[in-house]
Amino acid sequence: EVQLLESGGGLVQPGGSLRLSCAASGFTFSSYAMSWVRQAPGKGLEWVSAISGSGGSTNYADSVKGRFTISRDNSRSTLYLQMNSLRAEDTAVYYCAKRRGDGYKSFDYWGQGTLVTVSS
Amino acid sequence: EIVLTQSPGTLSLSPGERATLSCRASQSVSSSYLAWYQQKPGQAPRLLIYGASSRATGIPDRFSGSGSGTDFTLTISRLEPEDFAVYYCQQYGNSPLYTFGQGTKLEIK
Repeated sequence: EVQLLESGGGLVQPGGSLRLSCAASGFTFSSYAMSWVRQAPGKGLEWVSAISGSGGSTNYADSVKGRFTISRDNSRSTLYLQMNSLRAEDTAVYYCAKRRGDGYKSFDYWGQGTLVTVSS
Repeated sequence: EIVLTQSPGTLSLSPGERATLSCRASQSVSSSYLAWYQQKPGQAPRLLIYGASSRATGIPDRFSGSGSGTDFTLTISRLEPEDFAVYYCQQYGNSPLYTFGQGTKLEIK
């Protein structure tokens, strides 16, 4: 059974940093691209960042480029999101999501999410 | 940037009725790269449809997807009580890599 378990969320002051983790199990982690998707309170879904299975290719939404860094440790089956220079508008539930292994570019499994609150 | 616009914003229907949700793209989208998700309060999104018309694993056949180019549709043939939720379309493109529509809330009439 595929499981994705996020952790690391919490309350942080504007300008602060936080590192999210997503522990994966139930599939060959290194074979799949992964993404972070966030959802501000009461709002819709926003894709944040993606990383290839090997970790050699990364992409970011313009809203987080230069502030967030996605990475993965395939030996630990864990995905990370390092978030620096946090702003109030980064407040959201952050989901990690597994991309389908075929060419369809959709997310077939999601974690339960971790809440990040940026406030003084 | 491809913008996905979903309509209506809110759809009020009764169990047993047919629901038709629309997702319109600002530019042509490959059908292979169009997906639909269902999200219930307090839960993560769930993949319903990928490749515009293929049901994900475990999704009941009352859910169907169709469309091509800039116009895509999610149809729920006969609404069950558990189908009332928010639905999002999503596409894969260039920059940004993925975009979501703003969502359609399907509520009980």
